Amino acid sequence: QSALTQPPSASGSPGQSVTISCTGTSSDVGGYNYVSWYQQHPGKAPKLLIYEVNKRPSGVPDRFSGSKSGNTASLTVSGLQADDEADFYCCSYAGSDSYVFGTGTKVTVL
Amino acid sequence: EVQLVESGGGLVKPGGSLRLSCAVSGLAFTNAWMSWVRQAPGKGLEWVGRIKSKNDGETTENAAPVKGRFTISRDDSRNTLYLQMNDLKTEDTAVYYCTSEGMGAQHAFWGQGTLVTVSS
Repeated sequence: QSALTQPPSASGSPGQSVTISCTGTSSDVGGYNYVSWYQQHPGKAPKLLIYEVNKRPSGVPDRFSGSKSGNTASLTVSGLQADDEADFYCCSYAGSDSYVFGTGTKVTVL
Repeated sequence: EVQLVESGGGLVKPGGSLRLSCAVSGLAFTNAWMSWVRQAPGKGLEWVGRIKSKNDGETTENAAPVKGRFTISRDDSRNTLYLQMNDLKTEDTAVYYCTSEGMGAQHAFWGQGTLVTVSS
């Protein structure tokens, strides 16, 4: 199972929006509505931001939103804040009780 | 408050073995499906494997790179998840996280991770 493809980096100024793509195949992203997104600050454990493509757990601001089209999922961070600077990872169910993560995207707030 | 606390990491020689533990509190562990996820130094996240609840058969599934070498188990009486790692390779060097899965196939809660270093 190959890792899902994410851009290595993305950036935006405070208050702007940034969108991160996550491209897989019909065997993972395209085949299931089980895409999740995680934020990881340096030296910390990842934190769940989005699940089932576009659902937010309690406590996650609505500045974070998810979507999917075909084999590509996307995470949009609106109203960028300094604390949003982190690594972001997508993850998809890949069938046969397995998961695959994305390659990760480093978001920089300019 | 949900807490997952990993332990058991350390330095081990290639070909050696190590057992990681993950103590869970604040959630119904008996019903929880649990996963292990690892992160090599400076690299991305990699799913290692998962175990379902006893009610769902306690079945396990591992990622291809660790199949036949790693075994996931659980002790519901101790609210603890385990990862037995055998025949360790240098490429297994990573921080290992345990996670609890939600109904939407998400890794809802994460531990702080434990570092495993495989080196001669």
